[in-house]
Amino acid sequence: GAGVSQSPRYKVAKRGQDVALRCDPISGHVSLFWYQQALGQGPEFLTYFQNEAQLDKSGLPSDRFFAERPEGSVSTLKIQRTQQEDSAVYLCASSLGSGDEQYFGPGTRLTVT
Amino acid sequence: QKEVEQNSGPLSVPEGAIASLNCTYSDRGSQSFFWYRQYSGKSPELIMSIYSNGDKEDGRFTAQLNKASQYVSLLIRDSQPSDSATYLCAVPRPSSGSARQLTFGSGTQLTVLP
Repeated sequence: GAGVSQSPRYKVAKRGQDVALRCDPISGHVSLFWYQQALGQGPEFLTYFQNEAQLDKSGLPSDRFFAERPEGSVSTLKIQRTQQEDSAVYLCASSLGSGDEQYFGPGTRLTVT
Repeated sequence: QKEVEQNSGPLSVPEGAIASLNCTYSDRGSQSFFWYRQYSGKSPELIMSIYSNGDKEDGRFTAQLNKASQYVSLLIRDSQPSDSATYLCAVPRPSSGSARQLTFGSGTQLTVLP
């Protein structure tokens, strides 16, 4: 079956622009995670959804970052007023249940100029 | 102290040798541990999970866990050039309960030389 998909794969934004990154999890997966991966580093946790409920947003670096999953399927990560330090790969992962293996999408590489 | 630490490498081994990758973690209460492989430009892929002290083998991969020393390692036997990748150690965040929001190390870059 189809894996986790993310769009766009690449995004270039001018500093100060807003961006929206989309994640389509594997069908039927209850849990959805967003991670941020800077160059040469491991992924860092941003936020976690169980169905439509955002149960943990402790990793979001500032109030410019906002995530939603209104119908418990597709999720969007929005970054307002982008800054250069937001440049990274944003990874989405989903799992069937809360403790199951996480399957990662291909990521969105965001470059803020 | 970082929550999960790995030697960043790079680590180079000849084809057919054993590659040894190490990871230490700070949360003594951690109960589950994961090794991910990430090829350049690709997303992480889970290759091993381990929950109990001792060794767990899966094909050419062996994970070793020592909770007393807060140490987990990954051994790759008969290394192949296709094993060349960055290997990430991951541990659930202390606050994550059953959901496994993961804390990753910075990764060890492995190169297997033909």
